Amino acid sequence: GEDVEQSLFLSVREGDSSVINCTYTDSSSTYLYWYKQEPGAGLQLLTYIFSNMDMKQDQRLTVLLNKKDKHLSLRIADTQTGDSAIYFCAESYSTLTFGKGTMLLVSP
Amino acid sequence: DAGVIQSPRHEVTEMGQEVTLRCKPISGHNSLFWYRQTMMRGLELLIYFNNNVPIDDSGMPEDRFSAKMPNASFSTLKIQPSEPRDSAVYFCASSPRGDGPLHYNEQFFGPGTRLTVL
Repeated sequence: GEDVEQSLFLSVREGDSSVINCTYTDSSSTYLYWYKQEPGAGLQLLTYIFSNMDMKQDQRLTVLLNKKDKHLSLRIADTQTGDSAIYFCAESYSTLTFGKGTMLLVSP
Repeated sequence: DAGVIQSPRHEVTEMGQEVTLRCKPISGHNSLFWYRQTMMRGLELLIYFNNNVPIDDSGMPEDRFSAKMPNASFSTLKIQPSEPRDSAVYFCASSPRGDGPLHYNEQFFGPGTRLTVL
């Protein structure tokens, strides 16, 4: 079955880069996603990558995909306190399969 | 559009009581999903519907849980009888397309219902 794993917690200082890592199991996933959950809210799509790409950049966000190792990462440049949230990696098979989420804490 | 609407936002009930959570998906979306989020287990998919038809309910924990989607604009998740271990945040999400690995599959989440069973 599908399984998505992430580290549970990451702490960085404001202005540093953050890198959140994820591994997945289903090699047939065509799209991989990063969702963000702010306190007291539902998940919101942050960015996604198509499986035939190895990198996607969107302003401060960089997504790297290593399909051979089934490894996905999200890099946030110049991390701000407003980036503090839980970040979920997800792969798409019959439905989205989410990881447990990585809590990012940005300190001033 | 108002987005996915869930009610109530908070529910506190006593063990043994029936609980009904409600969801209105985004108009025009074909798929609807119910999730449960806890600290211990993370985000779990309970059930999802395509065009109002339940497709996969393998995530529903027990027979105490049931979900319906009588029409394209409304779904309920019912727990009867409720137990303290059902305490969690329950999310509803909708998606404009069907599922499958070939589909771009953005899901739009509601704000969630925080359920506390005493």
